Amino acid sequence: EVQLVESGGGLIQPGGSLRLSCAASGFTVSSNYMSWVRQAPGKGLEWVSVIYSGGSTYYADSVKGRFTISRDNSKNTLYLQMNSLRAEDTAVYYCARLAAAALNWFDPWGQGTLVTVSS
Amino acid sequence: EIVLTQSPATLSLSPGERATLSCRASQSVSSYLAWYQQKPGQAPRLLIYDASNRATGIPARFSGSGSGTDFTLTISSLEPEDFAVYYCQQRSNWPPSWTFGQGTKVEIK
Repeated sequence: EVQLVESGGGLIQPGGSLRLSCAASGFTVSSNYMSWVRQAPGKGLEWVSVIYSGGSTYYADSVKGRFTISRDNSKNTLYLQMNSLRAEDTAVYYCARLAAAALNWFDPWGQGTLVTVSS
Repeated sequence: EIVLTQSPATLSLSPGERATLSCRASQSVSSYLAWYQQKPGQAPRLLIYDASNRATGIPARFSGSGSGTDFTLTISSLEPEDFAVYYCQQRSNWPPSWTFGQGTKVEIK
């Protein structure tokens, strides 16, 4: 069964750092295109970052220079390193796999992990 | 940047009724549009990809149509489990980015 399980969320003070993890099962992270998508409380979905199978990475302007996406092939796990966190980064963070051929849709999604940035 | 605008924001319907949700793109996205369903406390679930293709396990009462800038998600006869928020989503080629509409909430009337 294809599954994604996020962890690492929590309460963090503004300016702090946090690393999210997304453990995959049923498929190989390094052979796929993987993304992070977030959802602020009561709001819609916002794409955050992507890592291609070849290793290229891209970011939304809102997190560029502060967040870093990476993966550990030996652990079949995706990561999101978040630095210089701001109150507006408060959200549930989902990892998701992009469709292999066209990269046009996300499936499956993890259950999400909540990040709260507050003093 | 392509902006997706969904309408209406809220749709109040009864079980058994037909639901018609709209997603309009600020410029053509060809047929590269997906739809997701999200229930409270849950992750989004893929319903439709490439405008009109149902994802695996999605009931036939869900259908998608459209191309270019105007797209529609139709639920032919609402079941109690269909009351949720629905998002459309598209991909931009360069720089790579993905955007979502603001969502349509389908609520019980």
